[in-house]
Amino acid sequence: KAGVTQTPRYLIKTRGQQVTLSCSPISGHRSVSWYQQTPGQGLQFLFEYFSETQRNKGNFPGRFSGRQFSNSRSEMNVSTLELGDSALYLCASSLGASGNYEQYFGPGTRLTVT
Amino acid sequence: GQQLNQSPQSMFIQEGEDVSMNCTSSSIFNTWLWYKQDPGEGPVLLIALYKAGELTSNGRLTAQFGITRKDSFLNISASIPSDVGIYFCAGLRTALIFGKGTTLSVSS
Repeated sequence: KAGVTQTPRYLIKTRGQQVTLSCSPISGHRSVSWYQQTPGQGLQFLFEYFSETQRNKGNFPGRFSGRQFSNSRSEMNVSTLELGDSALYLCASSLGASGNYEQYFGPGTRLTVT
Repeated sequence: GQQLNQSPQSMFIQEGEDVSMNCTSSSIFNTWLWYKQDPGEGPVLLIALYKAGELTSNGRLTAQFGITRKDSFLNISASIPSDVGIYFCAGLRTALIFGKGTTLSVSS
């Protein structure tokens, strides 16, 4: 079974631009969560989508948004990029069913904002 | 916000030694997960724990869900060079909260 895939793997953007990252979950998984990983703050939860609906949201500004499609694939968007948005963005998929909370991560997208 | 205190921050051990690391919180969690992350990769799930007091093994790895539900422990027995990496604990309430990680170095 194929794992979680994320595209692109690396991205360089300029301050003020916007960016869209993509995540394809493991087949059969309906929940996709997004995380930001930085050396200073570690892994921080952005949001979770389940059946095309945002089920949970972390403490990030509104510049960070996401969506999920009917095939469970998900995208996250960051608008008006700031230097501090440079990070590894990870998505994780899970079945999303009650009682099974195991999340499986993709390799991440390394975003550099200059 | 909620925080998990993971310790130690780093460990330098010899091949063949056993390793212990732990995670504590002031809040109760219903699920504990342990992950390992290699450079340039996403975290890989090692062990999932769902019940207080539960002890679960995965090869040379053993993890325990503390009976207070506020802590969890991970042990690695007979370490080998490929155990090198960063180990993260994560507790679940409405979302996963991660510890800061334990960086493990193994010398052969």
